[in-house]
Amino acid sequence: NAGVTQTPKFRVLKTGQSMTLLCAQDMNHEYMYWYRQDPGMGLRLIHYSVGEGTTAKGEVPDGYNVSRLKKQNFLLGLESAAPSQTSVYFCASRLALFGQNTEAFFGQGTRLTVV
Amino acid sequence: AQSVTQLDSQVPVFEEAPVELRCNYSSSVSVYLFWYVQYPNQGLQLLLKYLSGSTLVKGINGFEAEFNKSQTSFHLRKPSVHISDTAEYFCAVTTLSTGFQKLVFGTGTRLLVSP
Repeated sequence: NAGVTQTPKFRVLKTGQSMTLLCAQDMNHEYMYWYRQDPGMGLRLIHYSVGEGTTAKGEVPDGYNVSRLKKQNFLLGLESAAPSQTSVYFCASRLALFGQNTEAFFGQGTRLTVV
Repeated sequence: AQSVTQLDSQVPVFEEAPVELRCNYSSSVSVYLFWYVQYPNQGLQLLLKYLSGSTLVKGINGFEAEFNKSQTSFHLRKPSVHISDTAEYFCAVTTLSTGFQKLVFGTGTRLLVSP
């Protein structure tokens, strides 16, 4: 059972380059999230999706775009990478927002360095 | 908007000693509360969750947490820690009101267990 899979696991970008991070989940979850993790700042929400074809901004959305064309995939794009986007990126998914199955499941993370 | 405060960025403790990791949340409405653990270079795993009912919640690996509505706290405890508990611990909250789609994390507490 794969759960939440993130691709790639590591990447080094030059300033100004673009890239897309892929998150795939095989649990038929409706809700998906992208977070970034920086030392001393915990996890901050970048964007999230409440279903196929829908996305919404989190607390730190600037410089990122997302798409949810298929229910199982949630893509995070960096159009023009900046050193401030050096971080570890985590994708998460949730089955439900209420009740017993509301916890989030996380991928293993993508470590991105922008030079 | 909901928020989470983890008062201690790092907690050193000796093996077999008890430990408490503190978490306070800010919300004027009902909440769900979670504790996650992150081992080095891995994603986050759920330790335990509070949805409703009994305020004492038991999780995996011998951890438990107590929900205190009047103190708006959800502190994590373990009576006797092991070296293998060395990890970073995150408290998270989701409110049952506006913004309920979001899962908001604290800044994390690094637990360092030494022999």
